[in-house]
Amino acid sequence: GDSVTQMEGPVTLSEEAFLTINCTYTATGYPSLFWYVQYPGEGLQLLLKATKADDKGSNKGFEATYRKETTSFHLEKGSVQVSDSAVYFCALSYGQAGTALIFGKGTTLSVSS
Amino acid sequence: DTEVTQTPKHLVMGMTNKKSLKCEQHMGHRAMYWYKQKAKKPPELMFVYSYEKLSINESVPSRFSPECPNSSLLNLHLHALQPEDSALYLCASSQEVSWAQYFGPGTRLLVL
Repeated sequence: GDSVTQMEGPVTLSEEAFLTINCTYTATGYPSLFWYVQYPGEGLQLLLKATKADDKGSNKGFEATYRKETTSFHLEKGSVQVSDSAVYFCALSYGQAGTALIFGKGTTLSVSS
Repeated sequence: DTEVTQTPKHLVMGMTNKKSLKCEQHMGHRAMYWYKQKAKKPPELMFVYSYEKLSINESVPSRFSPECPNSSLLNLHLHALQPEDSALYLCASSQEVSWAQYFGPGTRLLVL
């Protein structure tokens, strides 16, 4: 079945460091891909999305490119801030009626000043 | 406006109580969802409504009963819950079932 695999956390970085959170997926078709962020005590926020191969999603300095050849959607940010500390979920939607999001297990990011 | 609202924010209930969680969106979305999230885990899908009709029930126990009174509202009725049902309950909506979902802030439920 379809699945999403994220790198294990926690990821601990100093402020202004470069961030990469790896995400790979398994799908029998052509899913849309998403990154969601969950700040402590809150719900999930859609961070960015890509709907087809080679699309680049970007928002708030975060970027991810839909790579069909490597079945990947890695999240990157050039310079993290303390306020980026959160749990990040990679997800796919297979696009068929009656299906919904398939989430990875989540990666906790902790940024210190 | 990409806001999904949920009430209450927190809820404590005994195992014999009946309570309801409410969710509302005014984005004109036609799909709405209930998720359950335990600490340090991803959300688990419970129910999906598409055009006000239940389209997915992920084998959720009958002590959870969803209701979609109209295209903007989604309720989750709770009855005779167990302590292991304590979790964050998230509502989400999307334009169609396969599109990007927008989540509410959640209701943190504690069952005593």
